[in-house]
Amino acid sequence: EAGVAQSPRYKIIEKRQSVAFWCNPISGHATLYWYQQILGQGPKLLIQFQNNGVVDDSQLPKDRFSAERLKGVDSTLKIQPAKLEDSAVYLCASTRLESTDTQYFGPGTRLTVL
Amino acid sequence: SQQGEEDPQALSIQEGENATMNCSYKTSINNLQWYRQNSGRGLVHLILIRSNEREKHSGRLRVTLDTSKKSSSLLITASRAADTASYFCATVSSGNTPLVFGKGTRLSVIA
Repeated sequence: EAGVAQSPRYKIIEKRQSVAFWCNPISGHATLYWYQQILGQGPKLLIQFQNNGVVDDSQLPKDRFSAERLKGVDSTLKIQPAKLEDSAVYLCASTRLESTDTQYFGPGTRLTVL
Repeated sequence: SQQGEEDPQALSIQEGENATMNCSYKTSINNLQWYRQNSGRGLVHLILIRSNEREKHSGRLRVTLDTSKKSSSLLITASRAADTASYFCATVSSGNTPLVFGKGTRLSVIA
């Protein structure tokens, strides 16, 4: 079974630029998560989708971050415009259905904002 | 805010020794999960323990859960250099609530 795929693996941009990350979850997994992990900290949930609907986006900075999962499979996370404090690893994870299930993580995208 | 708090923040041991990491949390949970993260990589699920379980084993891993104290421990026996990583506990309160991670314990196993 293929794992969670993410791209790109690394991205360097200047502040105020835009950036987008892509995630393809494990086949058949209904629930998809985006996390932000700042260096030295644990991952923090940004948004949770179940199929193509948003379950929880309470910690997503909606003035600059947006995410979509239009067909209920792969997802994109966008930052526009980026700030220095957005430098972090962005992790995508998926579960079969609910968050009480085991989460499977992708390798992450390391974003550096200069 | 983060639900779980791991202790210690960093741990350095010799190969072959046992490593114990602790996690405390604040609210009632459905389950508690432990993850490993190697430098620059994604998280790997290690073990899940449900609120009605007290102990679970998986290979060299042993996890305990004390819901009365709101705490869990992860024991890695006979550690290897390859166990060097950050270890995170994460809790799920119920249903479809999000997984909430602690800040992690950085384990270094010296060969």
